[in-house]
This record gives sequence, structure tokens and C-alpha cells, in this order.
Amino acid sequence: DAGITQSPRHKVTETGTPVTLRCHQTENHRYMYWYRQDPGHGLRLIHYSYGVKDTDKGEVSDGYSVSRSKTEDFLLTLESATSSQTSVYFCAISDWGKGYGYTFGSGTRLTVV
Amino acid sequence: KNEVEQSPQNLTAQEGEFITINCSYSVGISALHWLQQHPGGGIVSLFMLSSGKKKHGRLIATINIQEKHSSLHITASHPRDSAVYICAVRSGNTGNQFYFGTGTSLTVIP
Repeated sequence: DAGITQSPRHKVTETGTPVTLRCHQTENHRYMYWYRQDPGHGLRLIHYSYGVKDTDKGEVSDGYSVSRSKTEDFLLTLESATSSQTSVYFCAISDWGKGYGYTFGSGTRLTVV
Repeated sequence: KNEVEQSPQNLTAQEGEFITINCSYSVGISALHWLQQHPGGGIVSLFMLSSGKKKHGRLIATINIQEKHSSLHITASHPRDSAVYICAVRSGNTGNQFYFGTGTSLTVIP
């Protein structure tokens, strides 16, 4: 979507390897989110950020870490990928205080073999 | 326990039909969102609302705060409306906490 990009779009990795997904925005929005989407579960929040270096855990944060060293970038790291982390990952941005709702990235399909 | 419940889970309609998707929630909210996801595609935000009604083209979203219920209506449905529609609420009690429904899969047959 305009103003937000995710990379890579697809990735296949082996169990036990570290993986980093990147979310980049050009909207200068305050909030950034990482979700995973799995059949039967809908979207589940992994981590979110409410400012540079300010992050908090979501409902499925185990096995994931995040970093936000600048407004435009929010990185999601799987320290040691497991097959249960095979999923589609979506990044989203928002700035509620300015009246902006959600804008989602195009998603990253991650397969852990 | 799901904080957000959508109905129906699956819906098939003939082109031209009027469609309603329902969303009920159990938490206090500051805003409710309707999202659209086409098969294999990204997620698009259709509406963000905290009261009343919003309209965009053939789509109408309403919310009743007292009843904790929202509806998404599609008038004169078209095959390109076939997608998963997701209701999400932003909780007023916990700031940036969000709850998502599992989605309604809509198929519109020509």
C-alpha cells in the first residue's frame, strides 16, 4: 500500500535460523504494528511500537523481538525460526491522534522448513 | 472467549443482492474498523468509525455503541466484492489494544 512497504515479500528459511522482516513507512505515523495471520485465527498482534525505541508486546510475542531505531522502520526478528512461525506477516501503521486509521503493508509470506 | 464476533462466517450471494455482515464486540472501544482482504492479497481499511454511519460508494458501515454492534452493508453486490471482511476494534480501556474478528468470507456469484 502507498506509504508502507514490507520486505521481503516471500521467504523460505530453515528451522533454527534467524530471520528479520522489515517494515518501512514514509507517512511519519507514530504507531507501527506487526501481525501474523493464520487460518482460523485471524490477525494476531505480535508487537507494536508507539514511538522510536518504544515498543510493547502483543498476544503472540514469544519467539519474536522488534526494534524501532527510527520513525520509518520497524523490524521484526525471529531469533531462531520454528515451523510454528510459518505464517503471513503484516505490518501496519496508524496515527490515531491525527485521525489516521490503519494502513497495512502487502504482507510477507514466511515458510520455515 | 472472543472479544469480537462476526456473522456469518461465510456468505454466498448473487450479483446485485444487498449484503449485510455483522460484528458484535464485548469490550469498550474508541473506534471500530472494517477491513477488506482479497484472496492472496493485502488488507485494505474500508472504514474507521466511532459513532453513527459512514458511506463510501456502495459500502455503508453503521455502529450502535450502546448495543456494541456494527454492520457492514454492500448494496448492488458485484463479483469484485468477493473478499474476506474483517471487523476490528480498538479498545478504549487499554489504549492501543486491538481485537480482531476472524472474518466473513464473501463470494458474489455473477
